[in-house]
Amino acid sequence: GAVVSQHPSWVICKSGTSVKIECRSLDFQATTMFWYRQFPKQSLMLMATSNEGSKATYEQGVEKDKFLINHASLTLSTLTVTSAHPEDSSFYICSASQQPNEKLFFGSGTQLSVL
Amino acid sequence: AQRVTQPEKLLSVFKGAPVELKCNYSYSGSPELFWYVQYSRQRLQLLLRHISRESIKGFTADLNKGETSFHLKKPFAQEEDSAMYYCALSGLSGGSNYKLTFGKGTLLTVNP
Repeated sequence: GAVVSQHPSWVICKSGTSVKIECRSLDFQATTMFWYRQFPKQSLMLMATSNEGSKATYEQGVEKDKFLINHASLTLSTLTVTSAHPEDSSFYICSASQQPNEKLFFGSGTQLSVL
Repeated sequence: AQRVTQPEKLLSVFKGAPVELKCNYSYSGSPELFWYVQYSRQRLQLLLRHISRESIKGFTADLNKGETSFHLKKPFAQEEDSAMYYCALSGLSGGSNYKLTFGKGTLLTVNP
């Protein structure tokens, strides 16, 4: 089956620094990738939809300037948490599909801890 | 707006007992519904989708448009079914973007 690789698996950073998370579709081309955030014992909240070659679509309440999304190729999307603060500590998950409204494949997630 | 409701945070059953995880949705168009499962320390993965009408690991789910429900059922639960289950709805969200909205999840525990 299709595989989505997410890197890094976990990252600890100091408050005020930026962190980049990569999401790659390994054996298929993904025109659309999604970034989710999962708080402990809670569900996944969609942050943004990343479209290859165009600007990401952010959900209401998600700061565009804080969570920068780049989808430069059909196999790679990146999420950069800029000037991270402790409240940004969370589990971030990316997902991708080959076609809209098709089955989503999920990355293994990135646990971000901001000190 | 699309919304998915899973009324039970926790569900505990004994091995061999039937299990039903409830899911209700709200969506103005024609929805596509999914069940995702997350086993302990593993990534989220698709369990089944209503459009394929297949049974995976003994689980089935029927879309009931009248009741706007998509409950997940299994006649005889197994210990290895213990996991977090998420119901999700895919629908158009403004323009041409599809969005997958998740319910809050139900933690199923199957006791020996």
